[in-house]
Amino acid sequence: AQSVTQLDSQVPVFEEAPVELRCNYSSSVSVYLFWYVQYPNQGLQLLLKYLSGSTLVESINGFEAEFNKSQTSFHLRKPSVHISDTAEYFCAVIVPGGSQGNLIFGKGTKLSVKP
Amino acid sequence: GAGVSQSPSNKVTEKGKDVELRCDPISGHTALYWYRQSLGQGLEFLIYFQGNSAPDKSGLPSDRFSAERTGGSVSTLTIQRTQQEDSAVYLCASSVGYLGTPSRPFYEQYFGPGTRLTVT
Repeated sequence: AQSVTQLDSQVPVFEEAPVELRCNYSSSVSVYLFWYVQYPNQGLQLLLKYLSGSTLVESINGFEAEFNKSQTSFHLRKPSVHISDTAEYFCAVIVPGGSQGNLIFGKGTKLSVKP
Repeated sequence: GAGVSQSPSNKVTEKGKDVELRCDPISGHTALYWYRQSLGQGLEFLIYFQGNSAPDKSGLPSDRFSAERTGGSVSTLTIQRTQQEDSAVYLCASSVGYLGTPSRPFYEQYFGPGTRLTVT
């Protein structure tokens, strides 16, 4: 079975500071990895994904995540956050070609950006 | 184009009543998923439909929960004899399903805004 751990339930940071949201996963088979973002009172939106190829993936709004197979991690980073980045961030995995098509989510990290 | 829509956006019901939650997936998406988001439990998978295949019901928490998908499009999640622990946000997602020839799974899921269910 697969599992996802997001070690930090809440991360407060000041505007323009760098941030890292940690994600570790456990799986005996290869997985694909995703970060979803949920802004206040909105649904989940796909932020970025790793399926194959370059282990560093980027989003259009300045976030990036790096897949590290040896550490089974997929941490999300941004060098300088904005107030508008305040949201809850979910890391998720899926088993490619598996019998189940569902995403397995971590419990989420609430990022709070303060002025 | 239109995204995944869900109705109602909010539902308050009394313990013991039945409720139906509706999901309209993105047109052309063959895969449809239901998840539940609750405090302390995070996001839990409930059920997965892929085309005309039998649904994967492995995430349904009890036999009070059921779902159907009519005509390969709209889906309804039904909770019978609701309990207070059923209070949560129920999220629906859809995906293209399979792409190309030979077909390969497409893994990006697009989520609706959710239905907030409160059982009093």
